[in-house]
Amino acid sequence: QQKVQQSPESLSVPEGGMASLNCTSSDRNFQYFWWYRQHSGEGPKALMSIFSDGDKKEGRFTAHLNKASLHVSLHIRDSQPSDSALYFCAATNTNTGKLTFGDGTVLTVKP
Amino acid sequence: EAAVTQSPRNKVTVTGGNVTLSCRQTNSHNYMYWYRQDTGHGLRLIHYSYGAGNLQIGDVPDGYKATRTTQEDFFLLLELASPSQTSLYFCASSEVGTEVFFGKGTRLTVV
Repeated sequence: QQKVQQSPESLSVPEGGMASLNCTSSDRNFQYFWWYRQHSGEGPKALMSIFSDGDKKEGRFTAHLNKASLHVSLHIRDSQPSDSALYFCAATNTNTGKLTFGDGTVLTVKP
Repeated sequence: EAAVTQSPRNKVTVTGGNVTLSCRQTNSHNYMYWYRQDTGHGLRLIHYSYGAGNLQIGDVPDGYKATRTTQEDFFLLLELASPSQTSLYFCASSEVGTEVFFGKGTRLTVV
């Protein structure tokens, strides 16, 4: 069963626009959340982490975590064509150390 | 820079053949992971380990064995390869809750 679900599956935004990606966990043992980005032909690379309720901002990227609902989101403002990639949400089970990824969201930023 | 090295980068084998994928990390991380990536399924965890001699079962373990011989080395074994195991395989390392570092991937084709 998929314990980390992402939406939407794909997203297209114009250059300069805002992209919003969502992730929901079904396991309350998941405590550490990360966003990863994968460009074509490469391995995933970490974008940012969020462990506490509320917002965390890093440049154009803002992550939001609601622990009560186990919902995490990533917002990319002023989107650039170079942001076009596959984005993954990942969560760690603090009891087992198991790291689970969602199925990903394909973001396309059109010039 | 944290490093995870996978070998081989590409492999073609026949149905029923034996395959070993190798992974070495120089990050001094306790956790190492094997994932497979298929279109529409994101990254699915096969096996993981939290130290030499330890092995934990992931979400899609059937048909795979793994062995962690040292802190640095983690191997994935396919003893009777099947076409359904054609995939892109990633090895990764981390500590619990921290950034995960991925290798560049091994593309395996079973014909």
